[in-house]
Amino acid sequence: GENVEQHPSTLSVQEGDSAVIKCTYSDSASNYFPWYKQELGKGPQLIIDIRSNVGEKKDQRIAVTLNKTAKHFSLHITETQPEDSAVYFCAATAFQGAQKLVFGQGTRLTINP
Amino acid sequence: NAGVTQTPKFRVLKTGQSMTLLCAQDMNHEYMYWYRQDPGMGLRLIHYSVGEGTTAKGEVPDGYNVSRLKKQNFLLGLESAAPSQTSVYFCASSYDGQGANEKLFFGSGTQLSVL
Repeated sequence: GENVEQHPSTLSVQEGDSAVIKCTYSDSASNYFPWYKQELGKGPQLIIDIRSNVGEKKDQRIAVTLNKTAKHFSLHITETQPEDSAVYFCAATAFQGAQKLVFGQGTRLTINP
Repeated sequence: NAGVTQTPKFRVLKTGQSMTLLCAQDMNHEYMYWYRQDPGMGLRLIHYSVGEGTTAKGEVPDGYNVSRLKKQNFLLGLESAAPSQTSVYFCASSYDGQGANEKLFFGSGTQLSVL
C-alpha cells in the first residue's frame, strides 16, 4: 500500500522568509496530492491540492510542486506571516475517494516575528 | 454555518470503560470518516461510511465500532477503552468522496485520555 513520508517534522522561519515542506510517496499510481493545514485547537483544513496531470499549482502565497518521476511533492509558502504558523499535513492516494488517502506525519511550522 | 460538530471535546476514561463520540454534519454530505491523530503518525483512518446505513473499516479499526443510522450523524464507540486509545479523534465528511469531491471537512476534534 501507499506510504507517505513528510519532512521536516518541525520548521522555524523568520517572518517574510519562505518555507518549504517535502513529501515522498511510494505508490507510483498515486494521482491526487492534497495539503491540509491544522491550526491550534482546530481540525485540518484543505489549503491546496494537485493532481498528477499538473506539475505545479499556485494560490496566492502558497504553491505545490509535483515530481512524479521522483515520487515527491512539496508545499512552498512565500512571504510567510504569523498566521501561517500551524501543522501542515500532506497526503496521497491512487484511488478516487478520500477513504484511501494516506497522510504524512505532519510538519509543525513556526513563523518567528 | 456549523459544518462538522464533534461532542464531547474532552473526555477522560478509565481502562475498560465504554463511551461514544458523536459527529454531526449539516452539509448533506454522503461520506463520513473517523480519524485518530497521534504525535508523529499523522492522521489514520479508523472507520468510514459512504452513506446512511453503511460502514466500512479503515486502517486502524480494532477496538472501535461505528454506526450511521442517520445521514447527518456518525457515531464512534469504544466498548472497552485501553490506554493505547488515548488520542485526538477527528470526524470528517466529504460530499461523495469521489473525484473532485474528495475535499475533507473536519470537526475540531475530541481529546480522549484513557488511564
